[in-house]
Amino acid sequence: KQEVTQIPAALSVPEGENLVLNCSFTDSAIYNLQWFRQDPGKGLTSLLLIQSSQREQTSGRLNASLDKSSGRSTLYIAASQPGDSATYLCAVLLPSSDMRFGAGTRLTVKP
Amino acid sequence: DAGVTQSPTHLIKTRGQQVTLRCSPKSGHDTVSWYQQALGQGPQFIFQYYEEEERQRGNFPDRFSGHQFPNYSSELNVNALLLGDSALYLCASSLTTGVDEKLFFGSGTQLSVL
Repeated sequence: KQEVTQIPAALSVPEGENLVLNCSFTDSAIYNLQWFRQDPGKGLTSLLLIQSSQREQTSGRLNASLDKSSGRSTLYIAASQPGDSATYLCAVLLPSSDMRFGAGTRLTVKP
Repeated sequence: DAGVTQSPTHLIKTRGQQVTLRCSPKSGHDTVSWYQQALGQGPQFIFQYYEEEERQRGNFPDRFSGHQFPNYSSELNVNALLLGDSALYLCASSLTTGVDEKLFFGSGTQLSVL
């Protein structure tokens, strides 16, 4: 059974710091991996999608990597800003079309 | 271009009642998936609809049912509500079920069961 784990559960950093969020999954049989952002009580916004054949994707200050063989992905945020404060979730798309989510990392960026 | 819209935004029900949640997908999208997100947890897949049929289903009881209409909008129905059904219910849409398609989520319906 596919399990997705995100570490740490919460992270607080000062503004301007670079940071890394971690995601691990137990079964490498995935179609893709997505990173989402969720603001309190809101829906999810897709940040980056990495196909199973890709190694990384970049968008602005965000860079996501995928190592399918080891079941790991990281989301790198450069020069963090208070507006980056949110919960970040990773999710893997399974062959059954089921998208399996981690519990998220709650990020706080302090001014 | 409207994104994914869900209604209502909040709902309060009592145990044993039935509830219907609604979702309109992003323009041009034909696939709708429903997720349940408990407080502090990641979303859990309930089911997915394509061409008005349920294509895939997660580990949810038959009390959870759905429907997709010809205009691709969708409903989620939950019967015999339990306290544990209290959660944020999210609808996501995409174009077909292609693996390179990003999911677009609505803002969700917050369901409270008392």
